[in-house]
Amino acid sequence: QVQLVQSGAEVKKPGASVKVSCKTSGYTFTRYGISWVRQAPGQGLEWMGWISVYNGDTNYAQKLKGRVTMTTDTSTRTAYMELRSLKSDDTAVYYCARAPTTELDYWGQGTLVTVSS
Amino acid sequence: QSVLTQPPSVSGAPGQRVTISCTGNSSNIGTNYDVHWYQQLPGTAPKLLIYGNNNRPSGVPDRFSGSRSGTSASLAITGLQADDEADYYCQSYDSSLTGWVFGGGTKLTVL
Repeated sequence: QVQLVQSGAEVKKPGASVKVSCKTSGYTFTRYGISWVRQAPGQGLEWMGWISVYNGDTNYAQKLKGRVTMTTDTSTRTAYMELRSLKSDDTAVYYCARAPTTELDYWGQGTLVTVSS
Repeated sequence: QSVLTQPPSVSGAPGQRVTISCTGNSSNIGTNYDVHWYQQLPGTAPKLLIYGNNNRPSGVPDRFSGSRSGTSASLAITGLQADDEADYYCQSYDSSLTGWVFGGGTKLTVL
């Protein structure tokens, strides 16, 4: 069965970076894109960006361009999202999700990133 | 302020029918980009409920249906059940933002 398993919770100081991993199984990794979505406490969903696992093409949300990098490692079937220059309002649960086209059909369990001094 | 507008909350009694609207503009839903819907139960990851405007993934009951017209889309839930109580989000693509966008979410309360 399709599974996306994310790395554990992180606590970071303002200005630091965080890298979240998303290990996949149960499907052909290179046939689907991966999107990242975050959810601040008590708030709605925010799309962060998308990466083609097939060729590495990326599309990042405009508000995060310059601070976010999405990559994949096909040898370990793992996707990564790195966010730099963290601010307090980056505190959120971060999700990876499989993207067959524009929908997100399978999601990871989420990773809580807390930014606090 | 979300690009796609949803009502913050809707409610209904068990067995009733409710609809949740998702209003966009000519840069997203109005340009024929597909609309998808997600259900998020408390403390869990979102789950795909409807894709491509009106298609249900395997395992989603036919009580859930989607539609799209003009610059808006709707999610309908019939035969409301207590475990339908959740947050619901619409999602589409926006050509002005050149990215995917979510609605602000709608909290469904089953009375």
